[in-house]
Amino acid sequence: DIVVTQSPDSLAVSLGERATINCKSSQSVFYSSNKKYYLAWYQQKPGQPPKLLIYWASTRESGVPDRFSGSGSGTDFSLTISSLQAEDVAVYYCHQYYSFPNTFGQGTRLEIK
Amino acid sequence: QVQLVESGGGVVQPGRSLRLSCAASGFTFSTYGMHWVRQAPGKGLEWVAVISFSGNTKSLADSVKGRFTISRDNSKNTLYLQMNSLRAEDTAMYYCVKDPYGTADGYFHHWGQGTPVVVSS
Repeated sequence: DIVVTQSPDSLAVSLGERATINCKSSQSVFYSSNKKYYLAWYQQKPGQPPKLLIYWASTRESGVPDRFSGSGSGTDFSLTISSLQAEDVAVYYCHQYYSFPNTFGQGTRLEIK
Repeated sequence: QVQLVESGGGVVQPGRSLRLSCAASGFTFSTYGMHWVRQAPGKGLEWVAVISFSGNTKSLADSVKGRFTISRDNSKNTLYLQMNSLRAEDTAMYYCVKDPYGTADGYFHHWGQGTPVVVSS
C-alpha cells in the first residue's frame, strides 16, 4: 500500500498570510502513460463531507477560489493558500488514487493565528 | 446538479449486518464508478470500496474484505454497501462518493452527506 504522510498535523496562520501544507507519498504516484500525478486535495469543515479542491496534483476544481493551488512532483506535493481567509479554517487531506487501496494523509488542521 | 443521498445507517450490535444505500441523481449513474469512504469519529478518511460503472470490477479495503460487499443497481440509480459481521471498529460516518470516470480510477469528485453507523452492544 502507498503510505501518504502530511505535514504539519496542525497549522495556525494569520489572516491574509500564506499557508502551505505538505504531502509525501511512499512511492511515486506518477503514471508515465498519461504524464499525470494521481494526487488530490480535499477540504473538510466541521459537520460537512470533504470537498474536492485539487486533482492531478495541480488542477483546481471548478468553483474553487484561485487562492488555492497545488504543486509538486515525484513523491512530494503541497497545497498552498495564498492569502488565508476566515472561511478556510478546516481540515485538509491529500489522497493518492494511483493504486488501490486508495489512501489518504492523516489530515492537517488549519486555524487562524 | 449531482446529488448523492445515503441511507441505512444506524446503531447495530457487533456481529450483526446492515445494508447502506446511496440514491444518485443529477447525472447518468450507469456511466460512473462509485466508492464508499468512511470516517471514524474524530479521525481521518479511509477508503472502503469501489465499483466500476458496470459493476464488473470491484475492490475492497483489507479491513472489510470478506465482510462487506459493494454492489449497484443501475436501473434504480442506487449504490449499496452490504456490511456483515460488524465490529466496533466499523463505527464511522459512511460517505458515498462519485468518481469522474467509469473505470473508477479517479479522484473523489462528489460526496454525499454521509450516513452514520454505530456498532455497539
